[in-house]
Amino acid sequence: SQTIHQWPATLVQPVGSPLSLECTVEGTSNPNLYWYRQAAGRGLQLLFYSVGIGQISSEVPQNLSASRPQDRQFILSSKKLLLSDSGFYLCAWSHVNNYGYTFGSGTRLTVV
Amino acid sequence: AQTVTQSQPEMSVQEAETVTLSCTYDTSENNYYLFWYKQPPSRQMILVIRQEAYKQQNATENRFSVNFQKAAKSFSLKISDSQLGDTAMYFCAFMSGNRDDKIIFGKGTRLHILP
Repeated sequence: SQTIHQWPATLVQPVGSPLSLECTVEGTSNPNLYWYRQAAGRGLQLLFYSVGIGQISSEVPQNLSASRPQDRQFILSSKKLLLSDSGFYLCAWSHVNNYGYTFGSGTRLTVV
Repeated sequence: AQTVTQSQPEMSVQEAETVTLSCTYDTSENNYYLFWYKQPPSRQMILVIRQEAYKQQNATENRFSVNFQKAAKSFSLKISDSQLGDTAMYFCAFMSGNRDDKIIFGKGTRLHILP
């Protein structure tokens, strides 16, 4: 069966420090991968999505970047964190069967 | 561009009652998918139910069912015999039938089931 792993679960980082959040999927190949951010317990904002290795589409210009170095690995990064980067980050994957997304357990990021 | 609107920011119902969460969407496409996701206090996003736009029959999953009105672009979720474990944030979501299958989420409805 397919599983998605996202880590770390919680992260507290100072302003100006770098960020690296990782997401991996097991049990499937060539998944579509997504990074969402959820602020203040409300709606989800799509940040990046990828339909293949090295293929990254950005939805919202900001202080973050994403990379997909391997088929089932998706990384969210920042060179210098801002206070406004605080939030709950969710990774998700889907396949072309259109059965919706399966989400990771999320990372709560607090920038101090 | 597609939009998803959930007009009820917060709702409370007594345990065992039936509750309906509203959702409307806007699209010019004919082929698409609709979802309800549940986010309990653990914040894990869980798929509750899925509806394909080309199917007229409303989707049902145990105590959860939808009322899909394609012409009205309405997609409400009914929870029957509500349980304390149903307490969560519920998100309505839209996905185009195109290859990139990005999902657009509504802002959510916070549902409290009261004992």
